[in-house]
Amino acid sequence: EAGVAQSPRYKIIEKRQSVAFWCNPISGHATLYWYQQILGQGPKLLIQFQNNGVVDDSQLPKDRFSAERLKGVDSTLKIQPAKLEDSAVYLCASSLRGPLHFGNGTRLTVT
Amino acid sequence: AQRVTQPEKLLSVFKGAPVELKCNYSYSGSPELFWYVQYSRQRLQLLLRHISRESIKGFTADLNKGETSFHLKKPFAQEEDSAMYYCALRQGGSEKLVFGKGTKLTVNP
Repeated sequence: EAGVAQSPRYKIIEKRQSVAFWCNPISGHATLYWYQQILGQGPKLLIQFQNNGVVDDSQLPKDRFSAERLKGVDSTLKIQPAKLEDSAVYLCASSLRGPLHFGNGTRLTVT
Repeated sequence: AQRVTQPEKLLSVFKGAPVELKCNYSYSGSPELFWYVQYSRQRLQLLLRHISRESIKGFTADLNKGETSFHLKKPFAQEEDSAMYYCALRQGGSEKLVFGKGTKLTVNP
């Protein structure tokens, strides 16, 4: 089975710029997650989708972060405008009522 | 609120020695506990889950509800066990997974 695909792998931007990340979950997985992992910390859930509906976005900084999952498959996470503290690895994961399967992540550096 | 605590950021042992990575949780309901592992340059992946009660790569973990712990153990560590280990909790009936901050295990030759 193909794994969770994420792109790009790396991104460097200046503060106040915008950036978008893309995720393609495992086929058939209804639940999709975006996690933020800051260096030295565990992954923190930003947003969770069930099909194309949002289940939990309580820790998503909604003034600058947005995410969508049109058609309940692929998802994009956007940051606009970026801040220095947004530097992190952004992980996408998917599941089907079982363990989470993670992508390789996108490493974002904001300068 | 649910919380996962991994008290050790770093843990270093010699090859062949026993290893125990600690995990404590706070949650009032019936949790599901997991251990995820991330080897160097690889993606985060599931190591084991408490409901399976199985041994993966020689690792075991027992859920102790009295002590609210889910420590990961291996009797004889191998160099290839060197990795970041994350304990995670999922509240019953939910798909949401909460992670601890992780423990970096180094197994020295």
